[in-house]
Amino acid sequence: TQLLEQSPQFLSIQEGENLTVYCNSSSVFSSLQWYRQEPGEGPVLLVTVVTGGEVKKLKRLTFQFGDARKDSSLHITAAQPGDTGLYLCAGEKNFGNEKLTFGTGTRLTIIP
Amino acid sequence: DARVTQTPRDKVTEMGQEVTMRCQPILGHNTVFWYRQTMMQGLELLAYFRNRAPLDDSGMPKDRFSAEMPDATLATLKIQPSEPRDSAVYFCASGLKHNEQFFGPGTRLTVL
Repeated sequence: TQLLEQSPQFLSIQEGENLTVYCNSSSVFSSLQWYRQEPGEGPVLLVTVVTGGEVKKLKRLTFQFGDARKDSSLHITAAQPGDTGLYLCAGEKNFGNEKLTFGTGTRLTIIP
Repeated sequence: DARVTQTPRDKVTEMGQEVTMRCQPILGHNTVFWYRQTMMQGLELLAYFRNRAPLDDSGMPKDRFSAEMPDATLATLKIQPSEPRDSAVYFCASGLKHNEQFFGPGTRLTVL
C-alpha cells in the first residue's frame, strides 16, 4: 500500500510555464519533505514543512503543507530546463521517528 | 564538500551469488539509512542505524539481506543469495539533524 500518491506521474512542459505537482495521503504526517532526484544520483532534499498550512518558498519553487497535514503541493514558476528531474515527497508519520515514507514520484521534463 | 559515498556504483551478478554494497556516511553523521529504488515500488526503506545500532530493519527480507555497521565510517548491505527480483538501485543516506538525510549516488544492482 502506497501511503503517498503523487500526481501527475509524468509532466512535460515548455520552458517558462508554471506547474504544480501534488502529494496526497489519507494519513496525517508530522512533517513532509520534498526531494529532487536527477538521473544517476540520489535524491536531494529541497524543503521540509512541519506546520499545517505552512508555505515555504525557495526561489521559483513554492511548497505548501495542507491544513490537515495529509497533503502537499509544489508549485514552480517559470520553469527552466534545470528543473527537470524526479520530484519525490516524503512523509514522517511520527515526529522524531526519522523513518520517511516516500511518494510515488513525479517525473518532470522542461523542454527548452 | 562532504558527501555520502557508495561502492560499487554498478554491479552485475548472477543469481545465487553474494553481493556486498558499501557506504561511507558523511563524517560525524550518526544515522545511516539503506533504501531500495525500483520503477514499480519507488523508494523503499530497508533498514536504518543510529550510532551504529540497528533501529529498524522491518523493510528488509531477513532471509537473504543483512545490514551492518562495522564502524562509524562504514555501512554494508549484503544479499546472499541474490535473486533477479533484487535488481534495483540501492541508496545509502546519512544524517545528523532530525529528518535531514543526505543520499549517496546509489549502487545499481543487476542480478541475471
